[in-house]
Amino acid sequence: NAGVTQTPKFQVLKTGQSMTLQCAQDMNHNSMYWYRQDPGMGLRLIYYSASEGTTDKGEVPNGYNVSRLNKREFSLRLESAAPSQTSVYFCASSGRTGGDTEAFFGQGTRLTVV
Amino acid sequence: RKEVEQDPGPFNVPEGATVAFNCTYSNSASQSFFWYRQDCRKEPKLLMSVYSSGNEDGRFTAQLNRASQYISLLIRDSKLSDSATYLCVVNIPPGGKLIFGQGTELSVKP
Repeated sequence: NAGVTQTPKFQVLKTGQSMTLQCAQDMNHNSMYWYRQDPGMGLRLIYYSASEGTTDKGEVPNGYNVSRLNKREFSLRLESAAPSQTSVYFCASSGRTGGDTEAFFGQGTRLTVV
Repeated sequence: RKEVEQDPGPFNVPEGATVAFNCTYSNSASQSFFWYRQDCRKEPKLLMSVYSSGNEDGRFTAQLNRASQYISLLIRDSKLSDSATYLCVVNIPPGGKLIFGQGTELSVKP
């Protein structure tokens, strides 16, 4: 019963370093999402993918890139990390294209950029 | 203006109280609405979907007012275990991006 799996769970980066956050789901869902959560800000959508082969910007896409590698996997890349990208990152997936069904979340990645 | 807005609280209530959370959304074409619960910065989990006619699940009642672009969550007979952050979520067309409100923190005291 894996659901949505994110890796890594914790990461510390130096300013300017790059990294990729991995996300995989085993529920055969069409839609996948990346969010960041900062204190007092709720979850803000970075990018989403309504179906395999498509990606779209969310509320806060600057500084990030994504790849929908296949139906299962949706990765988030920070090309040059900045302290402002210190946050908790959540990946999610939902069943039907269009996001009209329940979204399931991974356990989050706690990223600190120093 | 944010696409989904909530009162961030915090709401501090005694056990047994009734508490209501409100949420407004800006895109009148939105079709799907949800309430999620989040504990201590863990991953959010679905509490309930919100249907046009309103819906109830035990002590929880969700309502949708399309004319005012407003959804609500009512919790009756609050329990200590209801302490959490409640997140309003709206499906924004086109493409179905799921946008969260900033969350409302609830603390239920003995």
